[in-house]
Amino acid sequence: AQKVTQAQTEISVVEKEDVTLDCVYETRDTTYYLFWYKQPPSGELVFLIRRNSFDEQNEISGRYSWNFQKSTSSFNFTITASQVVDSAVYFCALSEAGSGAGSYQLTFGKGTKLSVIP
Amino acid sequence: KAGVTQTPRYLIKTRGQQVTLSCSPISGHRSVSWYQQTPGQGLQFLFEYFSETQRNKGNFPGRFSGRQFSNSRSEMNVSTLELGDSALYLCASSLSGGYDTQYFGPGTRLTVL
Repeated sequence: AQKVTQAQTEISVVEKEDVTLDCVYETRDTTYYLFWYKQPPSGELVFLIRRNSFDEQNEISGRYSWNFQKSTSSFNFTITASQVVDSAVYFCALSEAGSGAGSYQLTFGKGTKLSVIP
Repeated sequence: KAGVTQTPRYLIKTRGQQVTLSCSPISGHRSVSWYQQTPGQGLQFLFEYFSETQRNKGNFPGRFSGRQFSNSRSEMNVSTLELGDSALYLCASSLSGGYDTQYFGPGTRLTVL
């Protein structure tokens, strides 16, 4: 069965520091997608990125970057020069292919609560 | 484009009652999924609908049910509410499910007393 582990429950950083959020996943499928979502205090999950299992290129979007490594089943998220507005809970999620139990659903990690202190 | 909308945003019920939550997906999206979020269990998948058909269901008791209408709007129902059903219920829509990116609504905060 699919599983996503975010070992860091809470992280606190001082504004302008860089921070990396870890995500490790387990799946038997060779085709799958990985996602990151942000959940601010308002509660709504905000989509950040989607990456398929065949694309291991790192991605950068402004202050955000993602490092996908199939060899270690990891999909880590780095925020450069953190800001107070980055304070939120961040979730990593996995979506599998096919028609099995894991299809048509997102399996989420427990989330990492990031607090950026001014 | 308007995002995913959920009604009501907040709900207080007592044990034994039943509740119906509503979700309107992004225009053009035909897949709707529901998730329950609690502090203890995190985000858990409830079910997914596409073209009025349930394609997948999570590990929840039969008290949790849902449906989807021809306009892709969806409802979920919880019967015989228990204290443990208190949670944030999130609805997400995507073009056709599967690998498509799911976009979430603001959620319905259900409190069972």
